[in-house]
Amino acid sequence: AQTVTQSQPEMSVQEAETVTLSCTYDTSESDYYLFWYKQPPSRQMILVIRQEAYKQQNATENRFSVNFQKAAKSFSLKISDSQLGDAAMYFCAFNAGNMLTFGGGTRLMVKP
Amino acid sequence: DSGVTQTPKHLITATGQRVTLRCSPRSGDLSVYWYQQSLDQGLQFLIQYYNGEERAKGNILERFSAQQFPDLHSELNLSSLELGDSALYFCASSDKDRASTDTQYFGPGTRLTVL
Repeated sequence: AQTVTQSQPEMSVQEAETVTLSCTYDTSESDYYLFWYKQPPSRQMILVIRQEAYKQQNATENRFSVNFQKAAKSFSLKISDSQLGDAAMYFCAFNAGNMLTFGGGTRLMVKP
Repeated sequence: DSGVTQTPKHLITATGQRVTLRCSPRSGDLSVYWYQQSLDQGLQFLIQYYNGEERAKGNILERFSAQQFPDLHSELNLSSLELGDSALYFCASSDKDRASTDTQYFGPGTRLTVL
């Protein structure tokens, strides 16, 4: 069975600073995608970034980047120049087969 | 805006009742996925349909059922509702059959409250 673990229930960052959210996963699949989704207070699930497992290059989307370590099954999210609007729940998700498996989430607080 | 729509946004009902949640996928997407987000269980996959056919089942109760219609919209039917069914129900869509190499886009969710 696929599992996704987010070991940090809560994180805090000062506005304009950088923060890294951790995620590890377990799978026997070789072909899969990994995602970070953001869930603000509106509860909408917003795709932040995607990483294809076959790509060695880490994905980047503006201020968001990942550190993908396939052998270690680790997939962390780095947010640079944090903004107040980044405050939300962040979910790491693993996509193998026909469903997404989510981690328990990390609540990110951004201090002005 | 992901392009996935869900109705209604909120639903309040009583135990024992039956409700139907509706989802319209993004234009061109053939796959629809249903997820449940509750406080104690987190986000869990319920079921997937692809072009009208059931493709995968997750932790979906027998009291719950779903279908996808020829116009590709999907409905999730929840019956004999219990207090524990109170949750946020998400629909997501993608354009592929197999999810492992595809991206799912989520709708805004339907918040179900069972009293």
